[in-house]
Amino acid sequence: EAQVTQNPRYLITVTGKKLTVTCSQNMNHEYMSWYRQDPGLGLRQIYYSMNVEVTDKGDVPEGYKVSRKEKRNFPLILESPSPNQTSLYFCASSLRGAPETQYFGPGTRLLVL
Amino acid sequence: QKEVEQNSGPLSVPEGAIASLNCTYSDRGSQSFFWYRQYSGKSPELIMSIYSNGDKEDGRFTAQLNKASQYVSLLIRDSQPSDSATYLCAVRPPGGGNKLTFGTGTQLKVEL
Repeated sequence: EAQVTQNPRYLITVTGKKLTVTCSQNMNHEYMSWYRQDPGLGLRQIYYSMNVEVTDKGDVPEGYKVSRKEKRNFPLILESPSPNQTSLYFCASSLRGAPETQYFGPGTRLLVL
Repeated sequence: QKEVEQNSGPLSVPEGAIASLNCTYSDRGSQSFFWYRQYSGKSPELIMSIYSNGDKEDGRFTAQLNKASQYVSLLIRDSQPSDSATYLCAVRPPGGGNKLTFGTGTQLKVEL
């Protein structure tokens, strides 16, 4: 079954405590990205990756890091989380040049106290 | 001006009616347009894509694109309670690639 998985699905943490949200896809997609979704602001892209070892900033990259060491995995790292990073996060993957093939993961709901 | 604009709703329609969802975009060079459906607490899923002016039909869904007016819409015929969700409009900016810019979504409620 084609899927994008994210872990954890729910996370409550405190300001400044480093955390990583994992993302993995089994469709051999080249393109992967992270979004955050906030009420009234919609889905906004944080970072994206065109392929292994190729990453770039999206629209709201501040406070986040990513890496792409393997094609299937694209972890999102919050080195020092702050309350304004409380949000619903989605990982997505697609074939390069074909955004219509985009699959979203189930989402990770993060609360930073 | 937002790059992709949608009325947040909620849009309420009775069961069996036609629901009309609208989206405008600011970049005239945009080439590809997508409609996603997102149930509460779930991830978005693609339901329609449209690339050229006119209508594209898929079952009860029709996407309409008017590039001159920078307007894309989604019609849902014979609306069902299961269609109650938030509908996200997404636009692929000029230059290709995989980036999509999303609107904030319109909440649709289909009432019995």
